[in-house]
Amino acid sequence: NAGVTQTPKFQVLKTGQSMTLQCAQDMNHEYMSWYRQDPGMGLRLIHYSVGAGITDQGEVPNGYNVSRSTTEDFPLRLLSAAPSQTSVYFCASRGTPSYEQYFGPGTRLTVT
Amino acid sequence: AQSVTQLGSHVSVSEGALVLLRCNYSSSVPPYLFWYVQYPNQGLQLLLKYTTGATLVKGINGFEAEFKKSETSFHLTKPSAHMSDAAEYFCAVTQGAQKLVFGQGTRLTINP
Repeated sequence: NAGVTQTPKFQVLKTGQSMTLQCAQDMNHEYMSWYRQDPGMGLRLIHYSVGAGITDQGEVPNGYNVSRSTTEDFPLRLLSAAPSQTSVYFCASRGTPSYEQYFGPGTRLTVT
Repeated sequence: AQSVTQLGSHVSVSEGALVLLRCNYSSSVPPYLFWYVQYPNQGLQLLLKYTTGATLVKGINGFEAEFKKSETSFHLTKPSAHMSDAAEYFCAVTQGAQKLVFGQGTRLTINP
C-alpha cells in the first residue's frame, strides 16, 4: 500500500492564480481531511469528507474548495491564491471506527 | 469546543536525559488523545494514542504517555533521549466524531 500520497511536493504560485493540490489514498478509508501547517499554530483543519459526495468545512475553509467524487481522491482547490495561503498542506485519512489518522508527506506552497 | 495546549514551543535535553513534553486539553466529554511526531520535511506519524482502558499508553520508539483525567493532561515521556528523537511533536484531541484538534507543537532538540 502506498498509503496517502500528495502531489506536488512543492509549488510556487503568483497572487490570483488557481491550482489544485492532489490527495489520494489506497486504504479504502471513508474519512479524509486537509490541514494547513503554519509555524507556531499546529495543524488547522481546512475541509473534511466523511465519504464520497460528502464534504464539510473545518476551521479555516475560506479560499479553498473541495469535492469527493471517489473514495480514493480528495483534491483541494485554491480559487485565487493569496500570500496568506503560503503554508504546508497535509492530507490525511482514517478508517472507521478508528480515530487514527494517516498523513501524506505534504505540499509546500508559496504564494508570491 | 475542544482545545489543546502544549507547554513550551521548544524543549532541549541532553542525550540520555529524560524527555517530558507537556500537553493539556479541554474537553467536555471523555476524549481520545494522540501524540504525533514530525521529522523534518515529512508528514506526521502516530506515536501513541489513548482511547479507553489503561491510562498509561506505550508507543513507538520508547515513548509513553499517561492520561490524567483530573489534571486534563496527556504528557509525553521517554526515559532516555536519543539523537534520533529530534523532531516536532504534536498533541491532538478528538472533537466530536469527525475532527482532530492539534496543539501548536513542541520542537525537541537533543544536545550531544
